[in-house]
Amino acid sequence: KQEVTQIPAALSVPEGENLVLNCSFTDSAIYNLQWFRQDPGKGLTSLLLIQSSQREQTSGRLNASLDKSSGRSTLYIAASQPGDSATYLCAVRRSGNQFYFGTGTSLTVIP
Amino acid sequence: DTAVSQTPKYLVTQMGNDKSIKCEQNLGHDTMYWYKQDSKKFLKIMFSYNNKELIINETVPNRFSPKSPDKAHLNLHINSLELGDSAVYFCASSQGQGTGELFFGEGSRLTVL
Repeated sequence: KQEVTQIPAALSVPEGENLVLNCSFTDSAIYNLQWFRQDPGKGLTSLLLIQSSQREQTSGRLNASLDKSSGRSTLYIAASQPGDSATYLCAVRRSGNQFYFGTGTSLTVIP
Repeated sequence: DTAVSQTPKYLVTQMGNDKSIKCEQNLGHDTMYWYKQDSKKFLKIMFSYNNKELIINETVPNRFSPKSPDKAHLNLHINSLELGDSAVYFCASSQGQGTGELFFGEGSRLTVL
């Protein structure tokens, strides 16, 4: 069974710092990996989707990488801002409609 | 224009009552899901429907019954509510067997007193 782990569980950084969030999964037979952001009391907003054949995706200050063989993905956030404070979750998609979620990293960016 | 919308956003009810949550998506997706997020923020799949057919049914009490009248709608009915049912329930959708993204609704926070 697929297990998805996110470390650290919580992270606090000063504004302007670059940071990396980690996601690891146990079964490399995935279709894709998706990074989400969740603000308190809100739903999940999709940030980046990386297909299994891709190595990375970029959107603005965000860059996500995928190393399927080692079961790892990272989300790089450049020049962090207080508005980036949220919980970040990764999810891997296996055969068909099976999505497996990590437990999330709670990020606080201090002004 | 909301892609995945669910109602109501908040539900407060007494133990033993029955309640429903509705979900609609206008993305043209053929697969819809119900997830439960507990107090520790862990997301757990409950059900998934593809073209109105149930394809994922995780270990969920029989008191939970999903219904998909068409591929754009997936409702969740809960009978005889218990304290442990208090959580945030999320509806989501994606495009079938392919490699598409998962889109979420805003969530419905259920509190059972």
